[in-house]
Amino acid sequence: DAGVTQSPTHLIKTRGQQVTLRCSPKSGHDTVSWYQQALGQGPQFIFQYYEEEERQRGNFPDRFSGHQFPNYSSELNVNALLLGDSALYLCASSLSDGLVNEQFFGPGTRLTVL
Amino acid sequence: KQEVTQIPAALSVPEGENLVLNCSFTDSAIYNLQWFRQDPGKGLTSLLLIQSSQREQTSGRLNASLDKSSGRSTLYIAASQPGDSATYLCAGSYNFNKFYFGSGTKLNVKP
Repeated sequence: DAGVTQSPTHLIKTRGQQVTLRCSPKSGHDTVSWYQQALGQGPQFIFQYYEEEERQRGNFPDRFSGHQFPNYSSELNVNALLLGDSALYLCASSLSDGLVNEQFFGPGTRLTVL
Repeated sequence: KQEVTQIPAALSVPEGENLVLNCSFTDSAIYNLQWFRQDPGKGLTSLLLIQSSQREQTSGRLNASLDKSSGRSTLYIAASQPGDSATYLCAGSYNFNKFYFGSGTKLNVKP
């Protein structure tokens, strides 16, 4: 059983460009959350997708957008990249059964903005 | 506003020592408290999940407790090993799986 997978593993972009990161949830999971982790910090919640809709959003600008597909996989899009967007982007999946809600994380995508 | 704090930020211990990592949160209406391990440059590995109705969870040499009234959780690691060296993160959720993370405790276990 594959866990949470993310692609690509590393990405280098320049300021002003746009980037798309991808995530496939753990088998059987229907909810995907995205986090940004700056060096030396804990992950910060960006947003969460459930049933192809954004269900919750953290304190991130509209430059950050996402999408969830019918197979529950998800994309994170960041427009007009800034140097400060350089971070490890983590995807987490869970099952929204209202009971356990344990989150499982992928290996992350390291984004460097030059 | 939900905030999660972890103390200490870093810890260095000799192999074999028992140790405690601390996590505190400002909002006691927590739903789940989850402990993770993160190796350098890697994703997060789930260690233990404590639901709001529970007080502790155990897995092997790890034991995590949750005291909602005091806003604290602790992760106890017994008989530490060099392979335990990593950053340990705690995260609390309040609704719909939105987790608030602490900044982590970086643990170094010396052989």
